[in-house]
Amino acid sequence: GAGVSQSPSNKVTEKGKDVELRCDPISGHTALYWYRQSLGQGLEFLIYFQGNSAPDKSGLPSDRFSAERTGGSVSTLTIQRTQQEDSAVYLCASSWGLDPDTQYFGPGTRLTVL
Amino acid sequence: SQKIEQNSEALNIQEGKTATLTCNYTNYSPAYLQWYRQDPGRGPVFLLLIRENEKEKRKERLKVTFDTTLKQSLFHITASQPADSATYLCALGNYGGSQGNLIFGKGTKLSVKP
Repeated sequence: GAGVSQSPSNKVTEKGKDVELRCDPISGHTALYWYRQSLGQGLEFLIYFQGNSAPDKSGLPSDRFSAERTGGSVSTLTIQRTQQEDSAVYLCASSWGLDPDTQYFGPGTRLTVL
Repeated sequence: SQKIEQNSEALNIQEGKTATLTCNYTNYSPAYLQWYRQDPGRGPVFLLLIRENEKEKRKERLKVTFDTTLKQSLFHITASQPADSATYLCALGNYGGSQGNLIFGKGTKLSVKP
């Protein structure tokens, strides 16, 4: 079946512009995660959605970052007034919401802020 | 604060040898630990899960150990092949935790030379 998909695969933007990154999770998965991976760094947790519960936003680095998940499926990560330090690969993952759980990752969106 | 260390950023071995990757953690008591593989330009892919009450798990040429006293997990690939070359991530989790239940290490890049 289809895996997690993300779009765009690459995004180049100018400093100060807003960007939207999209994630289509595996159908039926109740949990959805956003991570950021910078060169040579590990996965940095950003935000976690589980069913209808309030999202865990504890990993968002600043108020320029926000995310929403519509209809319990597709999610959009928005970065406002982008900065050069926002350049990274943004990974989305989804899971069944079990405990313990296996996360299924998308291919990521490579964001470059000039 | 919680800290995960993977033994080295890079590990180079000869084809046919056993690769051993290490994941150490501090200030954390995980209920389970997972290993993921990440290829360049792709998202991580789940390999194995081991719970705190399990000493060892095997899957084909892969073996994982989990020592809660040493706060360490070892990940072995026997009869390594060039196709095993990738970055391997360990991730720690607890039941009922937030942040998607997983905290990821930075990974170890394994290169298997023919």
